[in-house]
Amino acid sequence: SYELTQPPSVSVSPGQTARITCSGDALPKQYAYWYQQKPGQAPVLVIYKDSERPSGIPERFSGSSSGTTVTLTISGVQAEDEADYYCQSADSSGVFGGGTKLTVL
Amino acid sequence: EVQLVQSGAEVKKPGESLKISCKGSGYSFTSYWIGWVRQMPGKGLEWMGIIYPGDSDTRYSPSFQGQVTISADKSISTAYLQWSSLKASDTAMYYCARHGSNLTGMDVWGQGTTVTVSS
Repeated sequence: SYELTQPPSVSVSPGQTARITCSGDALPKQYAYWYQQKPGQAPVLVIYKDSERPSGIPERFSGSSSGTTVTLTISGVQAEDEADYYCQSADSSGVFGGGTKLTVL
Repeated sequence: EVQLVQSGAEVKKPGESLKISCKGSGYSFTSYWIGWVRQMPGKGLEWMGIIYPGDSDTRYSPSFQGQVTISADKSISTAYLQWSSLKASDTAMYYCARHGSNLTGMDVWGQGTTVTVSS
């Protein structure tokens, strides 16, 4: 199996843009998913197929892909976006990144 | 409403066996893969494996192969995760989640089952 690498933490002020990266050698060949997990809650899918947004997920959440890196972008961050975010490979390995704690200052 | 409902919290001793469950409703249970995810205290998500309830095709992460058994009973729309001999290191929250069709990710999650293994 392989690894997906995320920064441990990202901090932004309310209203700013947060970008969370996920790097892995397989990402040019595989889609990625992004999940949000708030304390004491189950994860929630926020992005699939690198950039698609499930119904019910706010438009401020977007995803992109370039080479070995996928990026989750949250525009106009709100206090409620403070959470842990995980990327996951869409291939049969199912591997998750280590997670990024987003802090809203 | 599409949902997955997991069994309740468990407290076990090392060496004991355990089987936790995940019941699906509101959709065709046999048509979607169900995955299991471990989250140890204060740590990240770990993908354990998946099962297709329609034919019980099962895949495991190399890290969990031989450590757990994933099964399903399609007649009652329920997937299972079981251990034959628990260890203290199995203490964690365990989530089941539905893999959406056409690479749409783990789109529906159970509420999680806490497993505590302590002597």
